[in-house]
Amino acid sequence: DAGVIQSPRHEVTEMGQEVTLRCKPISGHNSLFWYRQTMMRGLELLIYFNNNVPIDDSGMPEDRFSAKMPNASFSTLKIQPSEPRDSAVYFCASSLLGQGARTNEKLFFGSGTQLSVL
Amino acid sequence: QKEVEQNSGPLSVPEGAIASLNCTYSDRGSQSFFWYRQYSGKSPELIMFIYSNGDKEDGRFTAQLNKASQYVSLLIRDSQPSDSATYLCAVRASGGSYIPTFGRGTSLIVHP
Repeated sequence: DAGVIQSPRHEVTEMGQEVTLRCKPISGHNSLFWYRQTMMRGLELLIYFNNNVPIDDSGMPEDRFSAKMPNASFSTLKIQPSEPRDSAVYFCASSLLGQGARTNEKLFFGSGTQLSVL
Repeated sequence: QKEVEQNSGPLSVPEGAIASLNCTYSDRGSQSFFWYRQYSGKSPELIMFIYSNGDKEDGRFTAQLNKASQYVSLLIRDSQPSDSATYLCAVRASGGSYIPTFGRGTSLIVHP
């Protein structure tokens, strides 16, 4: 398996533009997480999907952020309009949670998207 | 608010020494505890997990859990320069949620 695949690796955009980040989880995993990482705040959970359903979106900063998971193999995180304070590394992670073995709690992270909003 | 606290460091140790990384958490009912390693510019990677009080060893790594005191630690024996990275502690809280909360990480530098 190729692991969790994120695109793009780098995104530079201007304030006010729409940004869409993409994620393909590991095949067979039932859980998907979007995290944001900054030096100031560390790794913050934005939203968690289980079986394609958003379970916890309490970490989504505001209405400018939205996330979808239309099927088990694809998810998007959209920021519209983007602002300079959104600049961060955005990670997608997947796992096979609630399937008995505690070892399944391991999160597999994608390579991340480095977002710069000018 | 469930919190996971780590000293940001950097923790600097000489090659061959034992590096000790610590993490405290606020939710007394927490169930699962993880250590992720993150190299600069890379994504986090799980290196250890522990669920029960006591020690768990895997090669040069030992995770220690003390639920009464609400801390978990990671010991790295015979530290190597390749161990230089940020180490993130993650804790899964009580209840049905499988969502882990991450600490901000401790930067470890192993110098030759």
